[in-house]
Amino acid sequence: GAVVSQHPSRVICKSGTSVKIECRSLDFQATTMFWYRQFPKQSLMLMATSNEGSKATYEQGVEKDKFLINHASLTLSTLTVTSAHPEDSSFYICSARGPGINTGELFFGEGSRLTVL
Amino acid sequence: GESVGLHLPTLSVQEGDNSIINCAYSNSASDYFIWYKQESGKGPQFIIDIRSNMDKRQGQRVTVLLNKTVKHLSLQIAATQPGDSAVYFCAEKGGSYIPTFGRGTSLIVHP
Repeated sequence: GAVVSQHPSRVICKSGTSVKIECRSLDFQATTMFWYRQFPKQSLMLMATSNEGSKATYEQGVEKDKFLINHASLTLSTLTVTSAHPEDSSFYICSARGPGINTGELFFGEGSRLTVL
Repeated sequence: GESVGLHLPTLSVQEGDNSIINCAYSNSASDYFIWYKQESGKGPQFIIDIRSNMDKRQGQRVTVLLNKTVKHLSLQIAATQPGDSAVYFCAEKGGSYIPTFGRGTSLIVHP
């Protein structure tokens, strides 16, 4: 099956710094990727839809200036948490769908755990 | 608004037993449903899916049942193993191709 890779898997940063998380589709091209946030013992909440070559679409309540998304190629989307604060500590997960793959199935990355001190 | 929810937040079973995880959905326009398994500290993993024109679909040790009349979805795991311990999410899709995730059920399998 298709593989989606995230990096880093864990990151700890100081409050006020910015953190970039990468999401790569390893064996397929992903025109669309999705970024989710998951707090402990809760479900996945969609943050934004990342479209290759165009601006991301953010869900209601998600600050686009806080969570910068760039989808510069068909295999890479990045999420940058700017001026991170402790409340941004969470598990961030990306997923991807691409041409030629059953549109019903999303492939998920392994997640990136962000801890802001 | 529309939502997808789960009846049981935690399910404990003995190894070898069959497990049934339930999910209620409220979007009558949903036409595609997916079950995901999420192990601790990892991303969700696709288990099985079902389209609204079906009421049952079987995979390896797993069966998904769909009751559109009462908007209910269930995942049955046969001969549950310790490796099945995880959080299970149902997700539904309607007009959008983006799935909406339910709350999740934690399955604990005791050896």
